[in-house]
Amino acid sequence: AQSVAQPEDQVNVAEGNPLTVKCTYSVSGNPYLFWYVQYPNRGLQFLLKYITGDNLVKGSYGFEAEFNKSQTSFHLKKPSALVSDSALYFCAVRDIEDGNNRKLIWGLGTSLAVNP
Amino acid sequence: DAGITQSPRYKITETGRQVTLMCHQTWSHSYMFWYRQDLGHGLRLIYYSAAADITDKGEVPDGYVVSRSKTENFPLTLESATRSQTSVYFCASSETTRADTQYFGPGTRLTVL
Repeated sequence: AQSVAQPEDQVNVAEGNPLTVKCTYSVSGNPYLFWYVQYPNRGLQFLLKYITGDNLVKGSYGFEAEFNKSQTSFHLKKPSALVSDSALYFCAVRDIEDGNNRKLIWGLGTSLAVNP
Repeated sequence: DAGITQSPRYKITETGRQVTLMCHQTWSHSYMFWYRQDLGHGLRLIYYSAAADITDKGEVPDGYVVSRSKTENFPLTLESATRSQTSVYFCASSETTRADTQYFGPGTRLTVL
């Protein structure tokens, strides 16, 4: 069955330190992978996606993510965290060999807290 | 303004009442989605639509009805609201390319008393 796991409910990091938010996935075919961010009382905002090509994907607000096929992971990273990065982060996957189904499979989210 | 909008942003209703949540997008995206977000459950898909007049059930469709007579609108109706439907509801739309990026509305916070 297709699934996405975000193993950490919460990640705490000091401002200026690098941050990593973890995501692993399980699909039967090849994946499209996405990261979204949700600020309090807001909708989800798209950060970045992996479709094909370079395993390191760069996105909005200085975030990047690395696709690792052998480990079926797509961890979100940022070299230097800001207090304003504090938010809820969601990983999502689509199995591109799943016909024309455009549905995404979502992780449960990871709450990132960046401490001043 | 272009984008995806939802109305109302906040709604309080009573058990048994019918409630309709509206979603409107200006991009002419083919795909549209309704999710609910609850603590501990993340995002759960209620219904989705591939095009006007084409809808399909998601993960948690019971108690909800959708329609899509126009590409830009995708209303969600709770036929007889229950307390378990208290949630935050998000509408999203998706590009027609294979990139499948979904763009979300600001959400509707629904409370059923």
